[in-house]
Amino acid sequence: KAGVTQTPRYLIKTRGQQVTLSCSPISGHRSVSWYQQTPGQGLQFLFEYFSETQRNKGNFPGRFSGRQFSNSRSEMNVSTLELGDSALYLCASSLRASGGYEQYFGPGTRLTVT
Amino acid sequence: AQSVTQLDSHVSVSEGTPVLLRCNYSSSYSPSLFWYVQHPNKGLQLLLKYTSAATLVKGINGFEAEFKKSETSFHLTKPSAHMSDAAEYFCVVSDSRASGGSYIPTFGRGTSLIVHP
Repeated sequence: KAGVTQTPRYLIKTRGQQVTLSCSPISGHRSVSWYQQTPGQGLQFLFEYFSETQRNKGNFPGRFSGRQFSNSRSEMNVSTLELGDSALYLCASSLRASGGYEQYFGPGTRLTVT
Repeated sequence: AQSVTQLDSHVSVSEGTPVLLRCNYSSSYSPSLFWYVQHPNKGLQLLLKYTSAATLVKGINGFEAEFKKSETSFHLTKPSAHMSDAAEYFCVVSDSRASGGSYIPTFGRGTSLIVHP
């Protein structure tokens, strides 16, 4: 079974631009969660989608948004990029809504904002 | 509110010696607890999970962890370290009742395991 895939793997953007990251979950998984990983803040939960609905949201500004499609693929969008948005963005899929169920992580998208 | 503290940012061991990575959690209820491993430039991989069944949990690659409610701990151990164990390890707590009915996992800051030959 193919794992979680994320595209692109690396991205360089300029302050003020916007970016869209994509995540394809493991086949059959309906839950997709997004995380931001930085050296300073560690791993922080952004949001979770299950069956095209946002179930949970972390403490991030409204510039961070996401959506999930009927095939469970998910996209994350960051508008008006700031230098502090430079991070590794990880996507994780789960058979059911996260929590008591293990998550399977993709390799991440490394975003650099200059 | 829930929280998790990984007591060591770095742990250094020699190959063949035991590994102990410490994790304390805070939750008002009965949480689900996980350990994940992250190798350089890779995503996270689940090592093991505790979800209110047996308190001693066995995971992949010879790792295990013991849930101790009285000590609010979930330490990760392995009898004999291998060079391939060198990686970043994350302890995670998740409790729906602490999050108002929604599971929002909280990650520890990570422990870097260094294995010397």
